[in-house]
Amino acid sequence: QVQLVESGGGLVKPGGSLRLSCAASGFMFSDYYMSWIRQAPGKGLEWVSYISSSGSTVSYADSVKGRFTISRDNAENSLFLQMNSLGAEDTAVYYCATDNMGTTPAYWGQGTLVTVSS
Amino acid sequence: QSALTQPASVSGSPGQSITISCTGTSSDVGGYHFVSWYQQHPGKAPKLIIYEVTNRPSGVANRFSGSKSGNTASLTISGLQAEDEADYFCSSYTTSSTLVFGGGTKLTVL
Repeated sequence: QVQLVESGGGLVKPGGSLRLSCAASGFMFSDYYMSWIRQAPGKGLEWVSYISSSGSTVSYADSVKGRFTISRDNAENSLFLQMNSLGAEDTAVYYCATDNMGTTPAYWGQGTLVTVSS
Repeated sequence: QSALTQPASVSGSPGQSITISCTGTSSDVGGYHFVSWYQQHPGKAPKLIIYEVTNRPSGVANRFSGSKSGNTASLTISGLQAEDEADYFCSSYTTSSTLVFGGGTKLTVL
């Protein structure tokens, strides 16, 4: 069955960087778009980014454009999110998800918590 | 991209039906068939329950149904059960090739 396991979250100071990973198994990773979605504590869902199956197409929310970079390694069945210039507003649980051509996050991981605080 | 508009809360008694609305614009909900609904229980990851406006993934009860009219999509849950108590979020693809979520609706089963 589809399994997505996020890692790399933690406490980081404002202005710092963090790289999240998502290990995928149970499906043909290289065939699927993938997305990152975040949820601030007690708040709603916010789409962050998606990447096409080959990695050639990416899209970002305006709130992270220029600071975050999505990438993938199909040989390692892994998805990444490089986050730079982090601010308090980036504090959230970050989920990775399989995605139907960038239109529909389908299967979600359990998330990894990123806390930006001094 | 502004978030889609959902009611903050809805409630219903077991066995009843409820409907949650999700209002966007012609640049998202009204312009595409890519509206999805998610159920999230406390402390858990969201679960896809409706995709492409009306379709249910395998394993999702047929008590859950979706529809759309103009710029507003709707999720209807019939025969409410205690385990349906959760937060519900809608999402839509947009003309900017991005995704946007609704603010979420807390469903209380009385």
